[in-house]
Parts: sequence; structure tokens; C-alpha cells
Amino acid sequence: EVQLVESGGGLVQPGGSLRLSCAGSGFTFRSYEMNWVRQAPGKGLEWVSYISSSAGMIYYADSVKGRFTISRDNAKNSLYLQMNSLRAEDTAVYYCARDDSSDGFDIWGQGTMVTVSS
Amino acid sequence: QSVLTQPPSASGTPGQRVTISCSGSSSNIGSNYVYWYQQFPGTAPKLLSYKNNQRPSGVPDRFSGSKSGTSASLAISGLRSEDEADYYCAAWDDSLSGPSFVFGGGTKLTVV
Repeated sequence: EVQLVESGGGLVQPGGSLRLSCAGSGFTFRSYEMNWVRQAPGKGLEWVSYISSSAGMIYYADSVKGRFTISRDNAKNSLYLQMNSLRAEDTAVYYCARDDSSDGFDIWGQGTMVTVSS
Repeated sequence: QSVLTQPPSASGTPGQRVTISCSGSSSNIGSNYVYWYQQFPGTAPKLLSYKNNQRPSGVPDRFSGSKSGTSASLAISGLRSEDEADYYCAAWDDSLSGPSFVFGGGTKLTVV
């Protein structure tokens, strides 16, 4: 079964750091681009970051640029999101999504909740 | 304020045809593919349409995407109660600060 499973969410104080992980299985992870998308409580979807299959290309939303770092380990079939200088407005469910190039974000994880609060 | 503009809500009765609009600009919809996602409360989004009008395997042909210029739309025919969900349009945006993927604000579809 093709699957993505996120982990690493939790409660963190403003200014703190958190590292999210996303484990892929059931497909050739190294062949796919990957993204992080978040959704604040009761709000819409917001794209966070993109990484190409070889990590040669990386993009970020302006709202997280300079604070978040996306990375991947193809040997471990894993995607990561290092989040620093967290703010209350970063509170959201974070999803990892497989990017089948022009065919869209076709596989999504179940999401992991990140709460930034004192 | 989302880069892509959708109506916040839409509604229809069972069997009816409903259309959800999505308005963008030359840097996103006007020059890139449009995607549509369906999301039920408490669950992850699901890809409903890609490359403007293509349906992933398993998506009923009641759902059809289209694009014209800097606008796109999702049509749902033969509306069913189980179609009640949030729908999001999306596209890559070729902004000056670098590529970004943008979503519409979402449309909550109610089947009355």
C-alpha cells in the first residue's frame, strides 16, 4: 500500500523549534518530488515547501522562508521539515504530500498537529 | 487573502449540477496547470482533478475540471449527499520571489 506517515508534531513555545518527519512506503520514494502543506485550525490549505527528488531544487512559502528547512533522506525513504523560530501563526496540521510532477499532489499523509503556544 | 479566489460556499440538491469557480492571474492559472482537491472534515485532502481537466483513477466522472484564461472551475453533476465537503483549487505560481504553490481559500459544498 502506498502510504505517507508524518510524525514529530506537538506543543512548542513561541521561538522554539520542532522537526517533522514523513515516512514513505509502498513506492519508490527517491523518484518523487515532495511537499509540506499545512492547515491552521478552521482554515484553508497553505503550501509550505517543495523539494525535488534529488533535493537539487527547494522552494519555500514567503511565510516560512528563513525559518523552516526542508530536507530528505532517500536511503531512509524520509522527508523532513525543520521548523525554527516558531510563531503562534505556525499552529496547524502539517501534511506531507507526494508530488507526481504535473500530475499533482496525489498521495497525502494523515497529518501531524503542531501547536505553538506558551 | 488567498492568491486564488473561490466562493466560500456553494450548495445544491441531490441530482443537481453545481459549479465552483476559481479565479487567478497570469502568473498562476494563466500559465500553469490547475488542480482540485476534496477534503472531508478531519481528513487529508484528496486529489480530484489534475492538469486542468484530468481525473485520477477512482474519481467518478461526475467531477470535471476546466480552465479558461486565468480562471478555472470544477463541475459536479448528479450531486450526491456524500459530495458534501470542502473543495480547493490550486496551481503553481511563477512569482518574482520564486515558484510557489498556491491554493484557493476553499469552497464548502452543502448538499441540501
